[in-house]
Amino acid sequence: AQKITQTQPGMFVQEKEAVTLDCTYDTSDPSYGLFWYKQPSSGEMIFLIYQGSYDQQNATEGRYSLNFQKARKSANLVISASQLGDSAMYFCAILGLSGGYNKLIFGAGTRLAVHP
Amino acid sequence: DAGVTQSPTHLIKTRGQQVTLRCSPKSGHDTVSWYQQALGQGPQFIFQYYEEEERQRGNFPDRFSGHQFPNYSSELNVNALLLGDSALYLCASSLDTGTAHTDTQYFGPGTRLTVL
Repeated sequence: AQKITQTQPGMFVQEKEAVTLDCTYDTSDPSYGLFWYKQPSSGEMIFLIYQGSYDQQNATEGRYSLNFQKARKSANLVISASQLGDSAMYFCAILGLSGGYNKLIFGAGTRLAVHP
Repeated sequence: DAGVTQSPTHLIKTRGQQVTLRCSPKSGHDTVSWYQQALGQGPQFIFQYYEEEERQRGNFPDRFSGHQFPNYSSELNVNALLLGDSALYLCASSLDTGTAHTDTQYFGPGTRLTVL
């Protein structure tokens, strides 16, 4: 079975600073994908970044980067230069064989608050 | 490029009634997945449709059913509504590339269902 653990229910960061949101995962699948989504209060899940299990480089997308440590089974999201609009819920999710390769399995999420 | 759209935005029903939610996928996508998100939790996978067939199903009762049309749009039907069905229902679309763990799912804005 696959599982995602996000141990930080809430995080605070000052505007323009960097913040790391933690994600650990449990899977026995040889191939899997890890995803981060942002959910503002409006409810829409916004795709941020993807990391494949065989990718040699850590994924980056603008101000978002993923600190992927495969041996530790962690995939932490780093947001650089935080903005007020980054305040939202952030979900880590995994897609793999155990889930039938079609089912995203989500963690409980981390609520990020950016202060001016 | 139109993203994933869902209708209606909000819906209020009473116990025992039936409801139909609709989803149009992102342009170029052929796969639609449905998720239920209860308040304060991560989304839970309901099922996925591909080539007008239900490809995979999560742990949801038969009261939850769906359909995919030839234009790839999809419906989620819930019969005999219970109070516990109150949630945000999210539709996600993706393109089946044949390498499933890389197929990013893009979400719509959701339908907020309240059952009284």
